[in-house]
Amino acid sequence: AQTVTQSQPEMSVQEAETVTLSCTYDTSENNYYLFWYKQPPSRQMILVIRQEAYKQQNATENRFSVNFQKAAKSFSLKISDSQLGDTAMYFCAFMNHYSGGGADGLTFGKGTHLIIQP
Amino acid sequence: NAGVMQNPRHLVRRRGQEARLRCSPMKGHSHVYWYRQLPEEGLKFMVYLQKENIIDESGMPKERFSAEFPKEGPSILRIQQVVRGDSAAYFCASSPLGQGAREQYFGPGTRLTVT
Repeated sequence: AQTVTQSQPEMSVQEAETVTLSCTYDTSENNYYLFWYKQPPSRQMILVIRQEAYKQQNATENRFSVNFQKAAKSFSLKISDSQLGDTAMYFCAFMNHYSGGGADGLTFGKGTHLIIQP
Repeated sequence: NAGVMQNPRHLVRRRGQEARLRCSPMKGHSHVYWYRQLPEEGLKFMVYLQKENIIDESGMPKERFSAEFPKEGPSILRIQQVVRGDSAAYFCASSPLGQGAREQYFGPGTRLTVT
């Protein structure tokens, strides 16, 4: 079974700063997907970014980027120029990829509560 | 394109009653997933369904919980004889059929409170 670990329960930074959230995972699979989801106070789960394990290039979405280290099983999220609206819980998640195209449930970490201070 | 819809948003049940949670996937999506989030925890996978089929129910408690996704209508997560420990937020997610379609899009959740 896969496990996802987020070792930072809470982080706080000033607006406009850069912050990095850490995530490690454990799997014996070679093909998989990794995701970061954001959960603001509304509790809606919002996809931030995804990474395919077979791609070496790190994914980027505007101010959000990842540092994917497959050998180390590490998948950190960097938020540049942080904004007040980035305040939320951030969850790292893992999904197996099956060659037949089958999908799988997500395995989530326990989350990091990110607070952006004005 | 409407997102994933869940209703009710809030549900209060007394111990021993039944709870029915509904999920309508995004248009064109044929995969549905249910997750449970306990306070201060991440989401835990419960069950994965396609139309008229349960694909993976490895995360479902063995008793009192069931799920369905009929040919017509929403997916239903049913909890019989609820207990206080069932109080949680229940999220539904949907995904389209096809290669590369790995993102799961989440609904707003149903917060179940058992009194």
